[in-house]
Amino acid sequence: DGGITQSPKYLFRKEGQNVTLSCEQNLNHDAMYWYRQDPGQGLRLIYYSQIVNDFQKGDIAEGYSVSREKKESFPLTVTSAQKNPTAFYLCASSIWGNPEAKDYGYTFGSGTRLTVV
Amino acid sequence: GQQVMQIPQYQHVQEGEDFTTYCNSSTTLSNIQWYKQRPGGHPVFLIQLVKSGEVKKQKRLTFQFGEAKKNSSLHITATQTTDVGTYFCAGHSNSGYALNFGKGTSLLVTP
Repeated sequence: DGGITQSPKYLFRKEGQNVTLSCEQNLNHDAMYWYRQDPGQGLRLIYYSQIVNDFQKGDIAEGYSVSREKKESFPLTVTSAQKNPTAFYLCASSIWGNPEAKDYGYTFGSGTRLTVV
Repeated sequence: GQQVMQIPQYQHVQEGEDFTTYCNSSTTLSNIQWYKQRPGGHPVFLIQLVKSGEVKKQKRLTFQFGEAKKNSSLHITATQTTDVGTYFCAGHSNSGYALNFGKGTSLLVTP
């Protein structure tokens, strides 16, 4: 079955350390996204990528970095510059190009819960 | 920038009662999507609305897109305990490239 996999499910890190969250999809989707979810804050966009080797900043990109070397993979690095890194991180993927397409909904991974102590 | 606002933030109903959540955008949307996130889970795509004034139904769920394409609603008839979760609306503006999510409405249904 096609899907999107995030790993690990839980991650603990010491303050000041960089950490990379994995996201892999086998849906053949062109677009991939990273969102951060905090209680009562909904989902806030960190980065997104429409195509391999290209990505754009979202609303809260400061302190984060991404790469898109393969269509299937979109890892997110939470750097030590991120002031409040403890959160639930969600990766998603979708087709790209026509927002009115019938199957334009996002498919989300099961998320990574990052705790920085 | 585009903002999507959702009300109420929380709703507690008795099983069998109806439930409605409302979504409003500061700009015109090219489409609106609805997602459901169960407690401890991840958002799952429910439906997309594209046309002005569009109404779609999924069993007990009715979704509407406003005539001006700036607001939307989700109505659940006769809630069940399986409806528990947070419902998010999300929209693309005409110039937007990624979904902008509302903060969600958390629904609690007690038997």
